[in-house]
Amino acid sequence: GQQVMQIPQYQHVQEGEDFTTYCNSSTTLSNIQWYKQRPGGHPVFLIQLVKSGEVKKQKRLTFQFGEAKKNSSLHITATQTTDVGTYFCALRVGSSNTGKLIFGQGTTLQVKP
Amino acid sequence: DTGVSQDPRHKITKRGQNVTFRCDPISEHNRLYWYRQTLGQGPEFLTYFQNEAQLEKSRLLSDRFSAERPKGSFSTLEIQRTEQGDSAMYLCASSSVTLGYEQYFGPGTRLTVT
Repeated sequence: GQQVMQIPQYQHVQEGEDFTTYCNSSTTLSNIQWYKQRPGGHPVFLIQLVKSGEVKKQKRLTFQFGEAKKNSSLHITATQTTDVGTYFCALRVGSSNTGKLIFGQGTTLQVKP
Repeated sequence: DTGVSQDPRHKITKRGQNVTFRCDPISEHNRLYWYRQTLGQGPEFLTYFQNEAQLEKSRLLSDRFSAERPKGSFSTLEIQRTEQGDSAMYLCASSSVTLGYEQYFGPGTRLTVT
């Protein structure tokens, strides 16, 4: 079945530095979703990308979907301590608008104040 | 609070015992999902329902696992004859086929099998 791989597994940054996590697949993706899970918390939906080359921004977060739709990235500008957590990409599978999610392994971000 | 709720939040059981978890989705959501998450990994799909119908069950799910959603509202996940390898966080999520594609996760039930 389809899989998505994330790198890096961990990232430690100084507050104010930028952060990027990458999500890759060997096959073309119909969509990619991003979720954030705070320590001790549950995954919270951030965004969905579906179009080739799509770029979406949410304040300091920038999400990209590759031109070939085989990779995606999440970039955080000027990290803050509130950005701490694990960021997952996930592929929504199924013919309907909602289907099961296949998650990557996640990238855990630590921010040093 | 109108989010997804799960009960219990923590469960410690001895190997061989049966356990049952409950999930109450957001009321207008017709799809309900169960995932399992172990430390350092992303959530892994177990099964999902649309209303009361169980539409898919992961091949990774052994016969010891069973899930129900009898009236299309809350759901239960039962694990029979628990094993230490069942120790994990069990997450429930819900979504609406008509309202959107995002899934809303509950706080999870952390199972520890001793």
